[in-house]
Amino acid sequence: DAGVIQSPRHEVTEMGQEVTLRCKPISGHNSLFWYRQTMMRGLELLIYFNNNVPIDDSGMPEDRFSAKMPNASFSTLKIQPSEPRDSAVYFCASSENRDRTEAFFGQGTRLTVV
Amino acid sequence: AQSVTQLGSHVSVSEGALVLLRCNYSSSVPPYLFWYVQYPNQGLQLLLKYTTGATLVKGINGFEAEFKKSETSFHLTKPSAHMSDAAEYFCAVSRNDMRFGAGTRLTVKP
Repeated sequence: DAGVIQSPRHEVTEMGQEVTLRCKPISGHNSLFWYRQTMMRGLELLIYFNNNVPIDDSGMPEDRFSAKMPNASFSTLKIQPSEPRDSAVYFCASSENRDRTEAFFGQGTRLTVV
Repeated sequence: AQSVTQLGSHVSVSEGALVLLRCNYSSSVPPYLFWYVQYPNQGLQLLLKYTTGATLVKGINGFEAEFKKSETSFHLTKPSAHMSDAAEYFCAVSRNDMRFGAGTRLTVKP
């Protein structure tokens, strides 16, 4: 398996624009996580899915952020409208289940909002 | 609720010296604990994990960690640091979701 695949690797956008980040989890994994990493706040869990169903989105900063998982092999994180404070590295991770097994991380998407 | 606290945002050691990175957890149920390493511009990579059984767990690159319930700790150690160990290290606790500590940046001096 190629691991967790995220696209794009880098995204530069202007404030107010819509941004969509994409993630393909490892085949057979039934849990998927979205994290945001910044110098100030470290690694924050935004939302996680189990069997394509959002379980906990309490980490999503505000209504401008939304995430979907239409099927077991694809998830998106959307920011609309984007703001400079959204600049961060966004990681997607997947695991076989939520607890005992480790999460496998993608390479991340570095988002810069100018 | 569960959380982890990593003591020391930066740790510096000399090459060949002992590495000790501290992690304390808070969990209302028996925790599953993990250590991850992150190299620059990369995602996180698992070093080792504790779920059940033996409390001393060995991981990749010569690292190990011991789960101590009485101290609610899961400190990461390596007997002899190598230059290639320079990276950021994250402790994580998992029950339903995975929560990470703030990270510790390890610097290895020649």
